[in-house]
Amino acid sequence: NAGVMQNPRHLVRRRGQEARLRCSPMKGHSHVYWYRQLPEEGLKFMVYLQKENIIDESGMPKERFSAEFPKEGPSILRIQQVVRGDSAAYFCASSGDEGSTDTQYFGPGTRLTVL
Amino acid sequence: GQQVMQIPQYQHVQEGEDFTTYCNSSTTLSNIQWYKQRPGGHPVFLIQLVKSGEVKKQKRLTFQFGEAKKNSSLHITATQTTDVGTYFCAATSGGSYIPTFGRGTSLIVHP
Repeated sequence: NAGVMQNPRHLVRRRGQEARLRCSPMKGHSHVYWYRQLPEEGLKFMVYLQKENIIDESGMPKERFSAEFPKEGPSILRIQQVVRGDSAAYFCASSGDEGSTDTQYFGPGTRLTVL
Repeated sequence: GQQVMQIPQYQHVQEGEDFTTYCNSSTTLSNIQWYKQRPGGHPVFLIQLVKSGEVKKQKRLTFQFGEAKKNSSLHITATQTTDVGTYFCAATSGGSYIPTFGRGTSLIVHP
């Protein structure tokens, strides 16, 4: 009964490198959400995806950030040319149905540190 | 966009004391969810409230949704050290499926 899986759990990058964060939703779930959390802050919505579709990316910076959820494989959040301000915990969550009443289940997160 | 205010930001209590965190919105909410995040951990779903005036209990935790569906509270009776963590509310309104999270209340329990 695997829950939401994320890898890597910790990622260290130097400024200018690329960061790739992966998320496998809970079995049977087809909706994935990505959030960013800074220390002692709440979760900020970034992007909502279904298989092969970006539904809402209103919370994602226009530059350097992209996300995908291919037909096969995990969802990927990609950050190009990372800067120190990208250091944060990135959580993905999955849900099984579209709609405002559905529950999101969170993965363990990826802690990104940019040196 | 929608704002969800959560207070207090921090709360120190002695073990055995009660604890309450509040979430308030200026708009009517469709539903509200509560999560707990332990230090270094990830948010864990606790409960969802949908109906006006709804009250739900989980052991020592009591969750309420206001009559106007604009506010909610989480109350813990007789806190224990295992209750330590940050409690977040997350609310949706209108037809949105994207929840807005409060900033969270960090609970520190002193033995």
